[in-house]
Amino acid sequence: GNSVTQMEGPVTLSEEAFLTINCTYTATGYPSLFWYVQYPGEGLQLLLKATKADDKGSNKGFEATYRKETTSFHLEKGSVQVSDSAVYFCALGNNAGNMLTFGGGTRLMVKP
Amino acid sequence: DARVTQTPRHKVTEMGQEVTMRCQPILGHNTVFWYRQTMMQGLELLAYFRNRAPLDDSGMPKDRFSAEMPDATLATLKIQPSEPRDSAVYFCASGLPGQGTDTQYFGPGTRLTVL
Repeated sequence: GNSVTQMEGPVTLSEEAFLTINCTYTATGYPSLFWYVQYPGEGLQLLLKATKADDKGSNKGFEATYRKETTSFHLEKGSVQVSDSAVYFCALGNNAGNMLTFGGGTRLMVKP
Repeated sequence: DARVTQTPRHKVTEMGQEVTMRCQPILGHNTVFWYRQTMMQGLELLAYFRNRAPLDDSGMPKDRFSAEMPDATLATLKIQPSEPRDSAVYFCASGLPGQGTDTQYFGPGTRLTVL
């Protein structure tokens, strides 16, 4: 079956530091891959997505590249801000009806 | 700006009481999901619907939970009777499946506290 594994948090960084949150997946076929972000007290919001191998999703300075050879979709940002503090979820969709498999989430804390 | 809405945003109740949570999916979306989020278990899928028909509710405790879609603009999740272990944040999400469009759009959640 499908599964998503992401690094456990919390990840604590200073403002302007480089961020990487690792995500690897197991899936049959050709899934779509997503990163969602959850700010305190809110629901999950789509941050970025990629629908096929070698696609790069990007939004708000965050990027992730769909790597089929390593079954990975690592999230990166060159310079984090305090406002990026949130929980980040990696997810995959099997393109068969909206079902998503979520990772366990990684909490990011950015200190001034 | 189309959004999923959920009511109430917060609910505090006593053990044994009935709780009803409501969700309005984004207009035109035909797939609706209910999730529960707790610190211990993380994000759990409870049930999901397509075109108002339940497709999977295996994640839901059947004896006390029920989910319905009375019409295309309303999904409900009921707990009767509620128990303290039901305390969590309940999210609704909606989507419109298609090739490469598995995106789910989440509501702000209902924070339930059962005393």
